[in-house]
Amino acid sequence: QSVLTQPPSASGTPGQRVTISCSGSNSNIGTNYVYWYQQLPGTAPKLLIFRNNQRPSGVPDRFSGSKSGTSASLAISGLRSEDEAEYYCGVWDDSLSGFVVFGGGTKLTVL
Amino acid sequence: QVQLVQSGAEVKKPGASVMVSCKASGYTVTDNYVHWVRQAPGQGLEWMGWINPKSGVANHAQRFQGRVAMIRDTSINTVYMELNSLKSDDTAVYYCARDRTTTEHPYFYAGMDVWGQGTTVAVSS
Repeated sequence: QSVLTQPPSASGTPGQRVTISCSGSNSNIGTNYVYWYQQLPGTAPKLLIFRNNQRPSGVPDRFSGSKSGTSASLAISGLRSEDEAEYYCGVWDDSLSGFVVFGGGTKLTVL
Repeated sequence: QVQLVQSGAEVKKPGASVMVSCKASGYTVTDNYVHWVRQAPGQGLEWMGWINPKSGVANHAQRFQGRVAMIRDTSINTVYMELNSLKSDDTAVYYCARDRTTTEHPYFYAGMDVWGQGTTVAVSS
């Protein structure tokens, strides 16, 4: 069971907007930046969002991130079939001697 | 282009050790911190630790303390992860990933922007 809680699945039809949540605590999301990763089937993860809401170059502006308190969200607008993937939130946790923690992942299905 | 290229798949017996290499190209490996992350079959991502390739200092996740070593060979732009006393539940794909934080600064998690292709390690008797 991960320190960060994500819904195991989400779905939408092409063109729709979907959101994926990530819930944590004061020691992680509450005090540190949230990062989002996209993992297409059979490939390595890819950084999608950094510092809560910033997009690396090359990531479409259909992807956006937000954070409030101890929760964060990833929103995907104008859903496309190629967005079907697993999505993970990742955060630094200040407890113990500090560590990176990932959410359990959300499998996004484009119907 | 900037990339991390990992060594090939390994099959090991319980109790053995495995070493996975991660060679940087397109950038100097001592410029950024590097993480190791693993993913068991059908499971999520699990952080194992980071190494500062410039100093050699590493920080391991508590559950791997005493069983993992992260080292580097700067002459060949490569970092390594060695995991000892392998068990069947160490079967996973192991990834190295570059942190956006440069080694000019104290460690601060800034996200993993370049990932290796992954190395499958299977542990079976």
